[in-house]
Amino acid sequence: GQQVMQIPQYQHVQEGEDFTTYCNSSTTLSNIQWYKQRPGGHPVFLIQLVKSGEVKKQKRLTFQFGEAKKNSSLHITATQTTDVGTYFCAGPGDSNYQLIWGAGTKLIIKP
Amino acid sequence: EADIYQTPRYLVIGTGKKITLECSQTMGHDKMYWYQQDPGMELHLIHYSYGVNSTEKGDLSSESTVSRIRTEHFPLTLESARPSHTSQYLCASKKEGYEQYFGPGTRLTVT
Repeated sequence: GQQVMQIPQYQHVQEGEDFTTYCNSSTTLSNIQWYKQRPGGHPVFLIQLVKSGEVKKQKRLTFQFGEAKKNSSLHITATQTTDVGTYFCAGPGDSNYQLIWGAGTKLIIKP
Repeated sequence: EADIYQTPRYLVIGTGKKITLECSQTMGHDKMYWYQQDPGMELHLIHYSYGVNSTEKGDLSSESTVSRIRTEHFPLTLESARPSHTSQYLCASKKEGYEQYFGPGTRLTVT
């Protein structure tokens, strides 16, 4: 069945360093969504990408959708403690009512 | 912030008990979802609903049941709780074509 693979599972960074998480789908996606879940919280929608090759920015966060619409990335420049959490990508499933979720990448700031 | 509510927020219960986790949303969304998630880990879809009187099982085998008698209400019932059910349960809703909104979750511990 359709799968969305997300790597890495964890990334430890010093505050101020950059962070990147990658998603790869086994099939072409009509769109991809990104969510952030703070420790102890629930996933919160960040952004949706729809167009091939699309790049969107939200302050220090840069989201990209691949040309083939099968991969996507989230890059955070100069991480801050407020960025700590797990970042999930998700693409529409066969029914289009469901989302197929990546396993998430946990951003950990080294003390 | 989206208007989706879950009760209880925390529940500790003994093995064999019947429990119902409540989820309500005031946004008029047709699509609603139940996910099971160990803290900070992958989201597993256990049930979803397209609308009133429509429910489907998700990818994760679950011993729970759901009902959707009203648009705004999507309760999850465990007939006989077991320690393996210990987890966080997240309810979500969405309007077609848009992102999912999550409730705060119920943390269930079965002793």
